[in-house]
Amino acid sequence: QVQLQESGPGLVKPSGTVSLTCAVSSGSFRSGGWWSWVRQPPGKGLEWIGEVSYSGSTNRNPSLKSRVTISIDKSKNHFSLQLTSVTAADTAVYYCARQGYYTSDYWGQGTLVTVSS
Amino acid sequence: QSALTQPPSASGSPGQSVAISCTGTSSDVGGYNYVSWYQQHPGKAPKLMIYEVNKRPSGVPDRFSGSKSGNTASLTVSGLQAEDEADYYCSSFAGSNGYVFGTGTKVTVL
Repeated sequence: QVQLQESGPGLVKPSGTVSLTCAVSSGSFRSGGWWSWVRQPPGKGLEWIGEVSYSGSTNRNPSLKSRVTISIDKSKNHFSLQLTSVTAADTAVYYCARQGYYTSDYWGQGTLVTVSS
Repeated sequence: QSALTQPPSASGSPGQSVAISCTGTSSDVGGYNYVSWYQQHPGKAPKLMIYEVNKRPSGVPDRFSGSKSGNTASLTVSGLQAEDEADYYCSSFAGSNGYVFGTGTKVTVL
C-alpha cells in the first residue's frame, strides 16, 4: 500500500510562492515511476498541475508551466511543488498522487493552501 | 487545454443505473485509451474507480463499468447504493499536454 502525505504552509501572500512537499511511504519510490500534483479550488473541479519521474524528468500543465517547478529527492523519499507569483485564483486543496500506468492510483489526503494578504 | 465536458448532475434510485458521459476531443479522449474515472466524497481525496477506459482496480465493485466511443467516454454505475452518492471526475491522457480532467458530475441517490 502506497501512502502519500502533503505538507507545507497553509497561507501564502499574493505574489509569493507555494512550496509543498509530498512524503512517500518508505519502499514505494521505484525506478521508472512518476509522481504528480493535482489541485482543486474550493467548490470546483480537479486540475492537473504536473508530474515528475523517478529520474527527475517533468511534464507540466501548459497553462501553469511558466510558474511551476516539480522536483524529486529520492534520498528523502519525497517530491516537491513550487508555484510562483500566486494570486487568489491559486487558492486550492493541493493533492499529490502516484502515477500508475497513465492513471493516478494512490492519492494523498490533500492540503489547503490559501492565498491572502 | 480545455476541461473535458461532463453533465453537472445525475441521479437515480437505489438499485437503478446511472450513466455519466465525458466528452473530449481527438487530442485526448478520442486519441488514447487512457481514460480514468475518480470518485470523490465531500472533504476526501479522489479515489480511482476505472482506468484504461474499462479496467477496475482491485477492490472496486463490478457495479462500476467504463466504456468509450469516439471522443466520449462513459461511466455506468449499476445497482446504485447510498454510498455511491459522490462527485465523479473523468480524466484523460492528452499527449504532450499531459492530463486533463473533466468538469465533474454530482451523483445523487434519490
